[in-house]
Amino acid sequence: AQSVTQLDSQVPVFEEAPVELRCNYSSSVSVYLFWYVQYPNQGLQLLLKYLSGSTLVKGINGFEAEFNKSQTSFHLRKPSVHISDTAEYFCAVTKTSYDKVIFGPGTSLSVIP
Amino acid sequence: DGGITQSPKYLFRKEGQNVTLSCEQNLNHDAMYWYRQDPGQGLRLIYYSQIVNDFQKGDIAEGYSVSREKKESFPLTVTSAQKNPTAFYLCASRTAATGTGYTFGSGTRLTVV
Repeated sequence: AQSVTQLDSQVPVFEEAPVELRCNYSSSVSVYLFWYVQYPNQGLQLLLKYLSGSTLVKGINGFEAEFNKSQTSFHLRKPSVHISDTAEYFCAVTKTSYDKVIFGPGTSLSVIP
Repeated sequence: DGGITQSPKYLFRKEGQNVTLSCEQNLNHDAMYWYRQDPGQGLRLIYYSQIVNDFQKGDIAEGYSVSREKKESFPLTVTSAQKNPTAFYLCASRTAATGTGYTFGSGTRLTVV
């Protein structure tokens, strides 16, 4: 069975500073990886996904993530955050077959003016 | 525009009552999912359906029931057997294509009064 770990439950960062949100997964088979963002009292929105190919994936709102198979990681990065990036971020995994998605516990990003 | 509509946005329930949360999608997605979200616990899968007239229990199905009579609709009933129903409920859908992520609704916040 797959599982997802997000080591940081809360990440405070100053506006215009870079940020990295960490995600590690475990799986005995190949997987697809996702990052979602959730603003308060809203549903989740897909930021980016890794299916295959280039290990560096670019998403919306200036975010990018790098897939590292040897370290089973899929960390999310942004070089310069904005106040509007304050939200909850979820890493998720699914097998390469048609299967349900497993979510990590989430990381709360707070951007400080 | 295509999307997922959850209603109502806020719902109050008296103890001992059953309530039904609506989820409708016009994306022609095959699979639909219900998640429960509690603070600090991420998303937990309640029920999912990959085809009309068929559904499976997720990790926390006790006290909940669903139906999938139409491809577009996947209502969730929170029964009186659910001892702690106060939570944020999210509905999601996806296509059968491998590697696709979820599209989420905007959620329903259920409070027991």
